[in-house]
Amino acid sequence: DVKVTQSSRYLVKRTGEKVFLECVQDMDHENMFWYRQDPGLGLRLIYFSYDVKMKEKGDIPEGYSVSREKKERFSLILESASTNQTSMYLCASSLYSRDTEAFFGQGTRLTVV
Amino acid sequence: GQQVMQIPQYQHVQEGEDFTTYCNSSTTLSNIQWYKQRPGGHPVFLIQLVKSGEVKKQKRLTFQFGEAKKNSSLHITATQTTDVGTYFCAATSSGGSYIPTFGRGTSLIVHP
Repeated sequence: DVKVTQSSRYLVKRTGEKVFLECVQDMDHENMFWYRQDPGLGLRLIYFSYDVKMKEKGDIPEGYSVSREKKERFSLILESASTNQTSMYLCASSLYSRDTEAFFGQGTRLTVV
Repeated sequence: GQQVMQIPQYQHVQEGEDFTTYCNSSTTLSNIQWYKQRPGGHPVFLIQLVKSGEVKKQKRLTFQFGEAKKNSSLHITATQTTDVGTYFCAATSSGGSYIPTFGRGTSLIVHP
């Protein structure tokens, strides 16, 4: 089974802190994604990566950056955390560019105080 | 960009009643996927539809893709408490980005 693992289930950070959310997948998938999920807004794409060191902005990239130095690992970085970034963050991976299902991690509930 | 509307946002049903969620796109789609997220869980893939007019079934779940490939539906017959969760569609446009756009989801609440 494909496994997508996020480093933390719950995280509490202070405003202004630099925050790293880590995601690792174990099935050699090409694509990796970061979403944030807020009540009533569904899943909104922050960034995705289709290869090592390659990244593309999603729908809501402001305030975030990403890093993909190895194929299996995709990191989301909040350069200076703000309270409006309090949310559930979901990482996902998929094998090919099109027509393949996404596998999600268990999510990280980030609270910025 | 592509817009994906999913309705309703919430649906309360009595156990045994049917349930349907609808997904509509502003553009023609190459495929549509459906995911289920249980309370406290993460989205899990259910199915993918690719062909115009396609209908697929998984036990009590029936998935349809519209003839024009712009809309889709998920119908659950005789709901059970295990069906509780949020159902998302994820639509991939036939032109432009290959990245699917998720609908906002429909939360199903089943009352025993």
